Amino acid sequence: AQKITQTQPGMFVQEKETVTLDCTYDTSDPSYGLFWYKQPSSGEMIFLIYQGSYDQQNATEGRYSLNFQKARKSANLVISASHLGDSAMYFCAMRDRGQNFVFGPGTRLSVLP
Amino acid sequence: SQTIHQWPATLVQPVGSPLSLECTVEGTSNPNLYWYRQAAGRGLQLLFYSIGIDQISSEVPQNLSASRPQDRQFILSSKKLLLSDSGFYLCAWSLTSRSTDTQYFGPGTRLTVL
Repeated sequence: AQKITQTQPGMFVQEKETVTLDCTYDTSDPSYGLFWYKQPSSGEMIFLIYQGSYDQQNATEGRYSLNFQKARKSANLVISASHLGDSAMYFCAMRDRGQNFVFGPGTRLSVLP
Repeated sequence: SQTIHQWPATLVQPVGSPLSLECTVEGTSNPNLYWYRQAAGRGLQLLFYSIGIDQISSEVPQNLSASRPQDRQFILSSKKLLLSDSGFYLCAWSLTSRSTDTQYFGPGTRLTVL
């Protein structure tokens, strides 16, 4: 069965610094996708970044990058140059062939001024 | 471009009353549609998903039901709400069920059952 683990219930980072949010996953399917979402206090789920299991390079989207280590089954989100607006819940999710999304429990990130 | 709408944004209902939440998607055809519930401070629980009109699968047995009367419309209903139905309800869509397809979420409905 699919499973997503996010071991950090809460994280703090100083403004302008870089933070890494951890995500590990478990699947027996060689073809899968990994996703990160941001949920601010308003509640909307905002898609941030995607990494495919066959992608050779780590995904990047602006200040977001994904540190994909396939052998370790980890897909950590790296946020660079943090600002106050990055304070939110962050969810890691996975989808393999023909299956629905599985979400992790989330990490609450607080950016300190 | 595609957009997804949900209404109402907030709802306060007494226990035992009916429920109807609506979700519509614009700018795409035959999307996969999903209903999730999120309890306060918790992760997302998949309730229903649909790959086409009249093709709906339930993930969790409960007093909720879902319908898809039109290609881009997904409705979550209940005949009698329970206190435990309180939460944040999110609708989402994706193009297909492929592992590469992202799910995009609507703004959500915050439901309080009193």
